[in-house]
Amino acid sequence: GAVVSQHPSWVICKSGTSVKIECRSLDFQATTMFWYRQFPKQSLMLMATSNEGSKATYEQGVEKDKFLINHASLTLSTLTVTSAHPEDSSFYICSARSAREASTQYFGPGTRLTVL
Amino acid sequence: GQNIDQPTEMTATEGAIVQINCTYQTSGFNGLFWYQQHAGEAPTFLSYNVLDGLEEKGRFSSFLSRSKGYSYLLLKELQMKDSASYLCAPLDGSYQLTFGKGTKLSVIP
Repeated sequence: GAVVSQHPSWVICKSGTSVKIECRSLDFQATTMFWYRQFPKQSLMLMATSNEGSKATYEQGVEKDKFLINHASLTLSTLTVTSAHPEDSSFYICSARSAREASTQYFGPGTRLTVL
Repeated sequence: GQNIDQPTEMTATEGAIVQINCTYQTSGFNGLFWYQQHAGEAPTFLSYNVLDGLEEKGRFSSFLSRSKGYSYLLLKELQMKDSASYLCAPLDGSYQLTFGKGTKLSVIP
């Protein structure tokens, strides 16, 4: 099956700093990538949808200036958490979808962010 | 918006059969996924139903009734490693996936 990687797997940062998370589709071209966030004992919540070469579409309640998403190529999307605060500590998961399989998303392994 | 309902927790005995139900309401419909998620890990794909009926895959089966907005995941011959959260996720008319809150299944000896 298709493989999606995320880097880093986990990151600890100080409050006020910015953190970048990368999501890569390793063996297919991802025309659309999705970013989810999951707090403990909660479900995955979609933060934003990004299509290659265009601006991301953010879900209601997600600050686009705080969570910067870039989808510059068909195999890479990045999520930058700017001026991170302890309440941003969460599990961030990306998924990727190719144009040929509109119904299927392949999930990355997730990134655990802890903000001190 | 989407509305997905599944039990919060279930407990079953090793070797037994368990059925996890899910009801949903979506704007348009392009199928329903079931995912398994172990603590601290990303979800892994279990099944995808787009037509009514039962899909069987080894110990796991998934059923869909589009008219009723209802699906279930059936796990047979339960093993300890099946202890995890099971997420029901319908795909809406825009091909957007929405996750239910998940059912935490505990398998006991």
